[in-house]
Amino acid sequence: ETGVTQSPTHLIKTRGQQVTLRCSSQSGHNTVSWYQQALGQGPQFIFQYYREEENGRGNFPPRFSGLQFPNYSSELNVNALELDDSALYLCASGGRRGRDEQFFGPGTRLTVL
Amino acid sequence: TQLLEQSPQFLSIQEGENLTVYCNSSSVFSSLQWYRQEPGEGPVLLVTVVTGGEVKKLKRLTFQFGDARKDSSLHITAAQPGDTGLYLCAVLNNAGNMLTFGGGTRLMVKP
Repeated sequence: ETGVTQSPTHLIKTRGQQVTLRCSSQSGHNTVSWYQQALGQGPQFIFQYYREEENGRGNFPPRFSGLQFPNYSSELNVNALELDDSALYLCASGGRRGRDEQFFGPGTRLTVL
Repeated sequence: TQLLEQSPQFLSIQEGENLTVYCNSSSVFSSLQWYRQEPGEGPVLLVTVVTGGEVKKLKRLTFQFGDARKDSSLHITAAQPGDTGLYLCAVLNNAGNMLTFGGGTRLMVKP
């Protein structure tokens, strides 16, 4: 059974640009969630996808959007990057709409200059 | 104000010492989770506590859920350098789709 993988590991963007982060869920899981973890803080929930539909959203603006694909891989897109978007972005996969244990990937470190 | 307040924020101790970290809230929860996150990795679930007053042990780690289910503690006995990491408490919302994390306690155990 493969774990949750994310790509890229890290990247640097400038303010105003757009970025796409990718996540490959653990085999057999049908939910994927995205979290933002600023330096020195706990992760904050961005949104969850279940069977390719958004299934809950945290307090993040619409420029944060996502997709889940039939093979349960997922993307997080962020438009019009701001300096405060610099953070570690974590995805987590789980089953049964997330009530089962969620397994986190290693994250993508995004730096916005 | 954060839903979950963790203390202390930072803790640096010598190998072999004991320590306790806390997760507090004014809200009542049906369950509470503890995670450990190591540098370059995502959080890994250590335990879920469900019943008020419940105590769970994981080797040298002892987790307790408060009687009123508003707070929790994690006690580590004879800490080792391998215990170094960020310890996070978290609660799942009623819809079961969102984890809310505390700010974490960053633990460093020196050899």
